[in-house]
Amino acid sequence: QLQLRESGPGLVEPSETLSLTCTVSGDSTRSDNYYWAWIRQPPGKGLEWIGSVYYSGSTYYNPYLFSRITLSVDTSKNQFSLSLTSVTAADTAVYYCARHRRAAAGVLRWFDPWGQGTLVTVSS
Amino acid sequence: QSALTQPASVSGSPGQSITISCTGTSSDVGGYNYVSWYQQHTGKAPKLIIYEVTNRPSGVSNRFSGSKSGNTASLTISGLQADDEADYYCSSYTSRSTVVFGGGTKLTVL
Repeated sequence: QLQLRESGPGLVEPSETLSLTCTVSGDSTRSDNYYWAWIRQPPGKGLEWIGSVYYSGSTYYNPYLFSRITLSVDTSKNQFSLSLTSVTAADTAVYYCARHRRAAAGVLRWFDPWGQGTLVTVSS
Repeated sequence: QSALTQPASVSGSPGQSITISCTGTSSDVGGYNYVSWYQQHTGKAPKLIIYEVTNRPSGVSNRFSGSKSGNTASLTISGLQADDEADYYCSSYTSRSTVVFGGGTKLTVL
C-alpha cells in the first residue's frame, strides 16, 4: 500500500531554512506518471500548493514562493525534499507531501495520496 | 495566483443533497478539465474524492459527484451522512502550469 511520510524539525527560527523530507513506500519516486508535491496549510486556514518535482529534476513552483523554494528527489532513498529559505511566522503551517499525477506535457492533475502532515512552527 | 472561490460554509440535514461551488477563471477551472476535490476531516490529511471534474477514485462513495459549467465547478453530495461533515477543497491546474486551491468550504450536517 502506497504511503508517504513527512519528517523534519518541528521548530525553525525566523530567517532560517525549513527543510523537510518525504519518504515514499509502496511506489517508486522514479515513476514516469507522477510528480511529487508539497502542500501546506497554516493553522485554521486553507491549502496552498508549494510545488512539485519529477524524478528527472523538473519542477513546478508556486510563483509566490518561487524565490525561496528548492525541491529535489533522491531516487536511491525513495525520498523527496523541500527547502524553504528565509522563513517567517507566516510560514508556520502543517506541511503535507503528496503524489501528484501528471499528464502529457507535464500537465498536473490530482494529488493522491497525501502524507499525514507535519506541523512546522517558525519561532525564536 | 488567486485562490478559487468557494462558499465558506454549507449545511444540510441527513439524507439531503448539497452542492459546493468552486469558481475560477478561463485560465484555470474554465480552461481545463483538471479540477479535483478533496475532503478533509478535522485533524486529518486531505483525501481525494473527485478528479478531472467528474471521476471518482476507487473506494469513494457514488454519493459524491462532480460537474463543471464554464468557470465554475461543483461538488454534489447526495444522501448526506454524519461522516460527510468535513472541509472540502477544490483545486485546478492553471495556464501558468501551476495549481491553485479554493479557500475551502466547511460542511455541517445538521
